[in-house]
Amino acid sequence: KAGVTQTPRYLIKTRGQQVTLSCSPISGHRSVSWYQQTPGQGLQFLFEYFSETQRNKGNFPGRFSGRQFSNSRSEMNVSTLELGDSALYLCASSLASQVHEQYFGPGTRLTVT
Amino acid sequence: AQSVAQPEDQVNVAEGNPLTVKCTYSVSGNPYLFWYVQYPNRGLQFLLKYITGDNLVKGSYGFEAEFNKSQTSFHLKKPSALVSDSALYFCAVREVDSSYKLIFGSGTRLLVRP
Repeated sequence: KAGVTQTPRYLIKTRGQQVTLSCSPISGHRSVSWYQQTPGQGLQFLFEYFSETQRNKGNFPGRFSGRQFSNSRSEMNVSTLELGDSALYLCASSLASQVHEQYFGPGTRLTVT
Repeated sequence: AQSVAQPEDQVNVAEGNPLTVKCTYSVSGNPYLFWYVQYPNRGLQFLLKYITGDNLVKGSYGFEAEFNKSQTSFHLKKPSALVSDSALYFCAVREVDSSYKLIFGSGTRLLVRP
């Protein structure tokens, strides 16, 4: 099976712009989660989607949003970018329940200048 | 609130020696526990998980972890370290019947010297 894919892998944006990141989960996985990884804050949960519905949300401002499509693919959007949004954004997919592990994509490295 | 602590920023071990990477957790109910490894410029790779049952869990690449409920710990171990095990290791917890999100520890860098 193909793993989790994320596009683009690298992105450079300027402050105030918006960005959309894409994630394709492992075939058959219906849950997609997003995480932000920074040297200072570590790995922080952004949100989780299951069957096109947001099931959990982390403590991030409303500038961070996401959605999931009927084929389980997911996108996250960050509007009005700030320098502090520079990070590695990781997408993870899993089967539906709590007992199942998440499988991570390679991430999108976002740099905001 | 759920939390995970990895008390060591870095662990150094010689190749061939046993290794331990420590993890303690805090949840109000029962936990599901996970270990992941991250190599440079890569995403996280799943190593092993504790859901229920035997406290000693075996995972990928010869790693194992021991769940200790009284000490709220889930330390990662390997009997004989390899240089290729050098990477960043993350412990994560999910509270049973509470949430689907994973709470990660701060990570421990493992350095195995030849």
